[in-house]
Amino acid sequence: QQQVKQSPQSLIVQKGGISIINCAYENTAFDYFPWYQQFPGKGPALLIAIRPDVSEKKEGRFTISFNKSAKQFSLHIMDSQPGDSATYFCAASLSGSARQLTFGSGTQLTVLP
Amino acid sequence: DVKVTQSSRYLVKRTGEKVFLECVQDMDHENMFWYRQDPGLGLRLIYFSYDVKMKEKGDIPEGYSVSREKKERFSLILESASTNQTSMYLCASSANGGFGYTFGSGTRLTVV
Repeated sequence: QQQVKQSPQSLIVQKGGISIINCAYENTAFDYFPWYQQFPGKGPALLIAIRPDVSEKKEGRFTISFNKSAKQFSLHIMDSQPGDSATYFCAASLSGSARQLTFGSGTQLTVLP
Repeated sequence: DVKVTQSSRYLVKRTGEKVFLECVQDMDHENMFWYRQDPGLGLRLIYFSYDVKMKEKGDIPEGYSVSREKKERFSLILESASTNQTSMYLCASSANGGFGYTFGSGTRLTVV
């Protein structure tokens, strides 16, 4: 079974600190790796994504680091803010028109003021 | 603003009832998905549909069925609800070849 393993399950960070969430995958055929952010009472929303032909992608305070040889990728949130408190899911998908996403188990991030 | 709308925010049903969860998208997307979300397990794919009347099983289809009679509507059916189907159910849609999903806000189903 295709799996994406995510850690940690929960994370508490002080305001201004760096939040790091890690994911590992097994299927080397995965070719798209998004991160989703979910606030309470809402559905997940796409935050940032990366393809395996690059090692890093940055959008504002959010950066994905991708290590193809280790089959790992991570989300870094710089200068974490209380408004970043949410649940974060990594995911991976295979090529194809429907692109089914396989999700990690989620990380509940709390940023203390 | 484009949307995926799930008909119920909260639902309480009795064991053995037939339950319908409805999802409508207004983006003309070809693909629609049903996931369930449980603490510590993330989002797990139940079924998806890539066209009207077409469906594919996901990772956990047992106890569920789906219906897609119109492009914009995708229904999840619990034939005989059981307590282990108590969960948050999320519908999503995507365009063919598209990379991002748009999710609905979810239906929290409790089976008693």
